[in-house]
Amino acid sequence: EAGVAQSPRYKIIEKRQSVAFWCNPISGHATLYWYQQILGQGPKLLIQFQNNGVVDDSQLPKDRFSAERLKGVDSTLKIQPAKLEDSAVYLCASSLVPGRVDSPLHFGNGTRLTVT
Amino acid sequence: AQSVAQPEDQVNVAEGNPLTVKCTYSVSGNPYLFWYVQYPNRGLQFLLKYITGDNLVKGSYGFEAEFNKSQTSFHLKKPSALVSDSALYFCAVRDKAGRRALTFGSGTRLQVQP
Repeated sequence: EAGVAQSPRYKIIEKRQSVAFWCNPISGHATLYWYQQILGQGPKLLIQFQNNGVVDDSQLPKDRFSAERLKGVDSTLKIQPAKLEDSAVYLCASSLVPGRVDSPLHFGNGTRLTVT
Repeated sequence: AQSVAQPEDQVNVAEGNPLTVKCTYSVSGNPYLFWYVQYPNRGLQFLLKYITGDNLVKGSYGFEAEFNKSQTSFHLKKPSALVSDSALYFCAVRDKAGRRALTFGSGTRLQVQP
């Protein structure tokens, strides 16, 4: 099966600019996650979608970050305006079965964001 | 709140020797526990999980992990390390009620020397 697709792979922007990341999960996967991985740290959940509804966005900095999952498939994550501390790898993941908390996550290769 | 601790930033082992990567967790109630591996410039790949039952769980690439409820640990092991095992390893936990998504540890870099 095709894996989780993310684009772009790399992005360099200046602080206060805006940026958007795109994710296409594995076909049929109902649950989609965005994680932020700062260098030297483990991934931290930003937002979780079930189909096109938000399940958990408690750690999303809503003053600058937004995410949507139209039609319950693709998702975009936006940062506006970016800060230096947003430099990180943004990972998208999906899992197959809604409600199956033991269902493994399938990760994309991530988008590495550098804010200068 | 759920959390994971990986006390070692890096583990060095010679090829052919056994390896252990440590993980301890904190969660309300019984846990679901996972190990993921990350190669350079790649996303995380699932290795194995503990849900219930046998405390020794076997996973991909010859890895296994031992769940110890009294010590709240879930250490990753392999009897004989390969140079190709060199990567970043993450332990993750969620509670069985599934109220929260996976919480990851900070990662342990495994370096296998030839």
